[in-house]
Amino acid sequence: EVQLVQSGAEVKKPGRSLKISCKTSGYSFAYYWIGWVRQVPGKGPEWMGVIYPGDSDTKYSPSFQGRVTISADKSINTAYLQWNSLKASDSAIYYCARLGVGGWNELRRAFDVWGQGTKVTVSS
Amino acid sequence: DTQMTQSPSSLSASVGDRVTITCRASQDIDDYLAWYQQKPGKVPKLLIYGASSLQPGVPSRFSGSGSGTRFTLTISSLQPEDVATYYCQKYNSAPGTFGQGTKVEMK
Repeated sequence: EVQLVQSGAEVKKPGRSLKISCKTSGYSFAYYWIGWVRQVPGKGPEWMGVIYPGDSDTKYSPSFQGRVTISADKSINTAYLQWNSLKASDSAIYYCARLGVGGWNELRRAFDVWGQGTKVTVSS
Repeated sequence: DTQMTQSPSSLSASVGDRVTITCRASQDIDDYLAWYQQKPGKVPKLLIYGASSLQPGVPSRFSGSGSGTRFTLTISSLQPEDVATYYCQKYNSAPGTFGQGTKVEMK
């Protein structure tokens, strides 16, 4: 069974750094793109970026480029999302999700399996 | 970037009704379109990919159609458990933009 298990909720002050994780199991981690999606409560999902763990190729949304860093560690089948300096506007639920279905091109696929979400609260 | 626009933003329907949600892309995305269902407080769930392919385990009352810039999600006979917000998402290229959502409520 494919599973994505995310790290727990975080409460941070503005300006602090943060790294959240998404541990995967049940499939070949290196060969599927894995992405991060932000969702502010009451709003729709926002595609942040994706990474191909096999070679660490990364694609970011222009809205998030430079604000976050996506990384992956193949040795422990885990993807990460990190901030160097949090803002209150970063408060949201963050989901990791696997690009698993849709075609032969690994990047041109839909998110078929999702993590449970990590709630990030940034407040002074 | 390609914009995804859903209509309506919300709808109210009765059990057994046929429900149709439309998603329009600002540029041609071929059939690289997915539909997700999100119930309150829950994780989004993939329903349809490739514009019309049903994800395994999804009830057959859900169907998708379209190509290019206009797509539809149809629920053939609305059930109480279908109360949720539905999102389309394009995935032909990065970023994989989502629509703003359609909230489906029971009348």
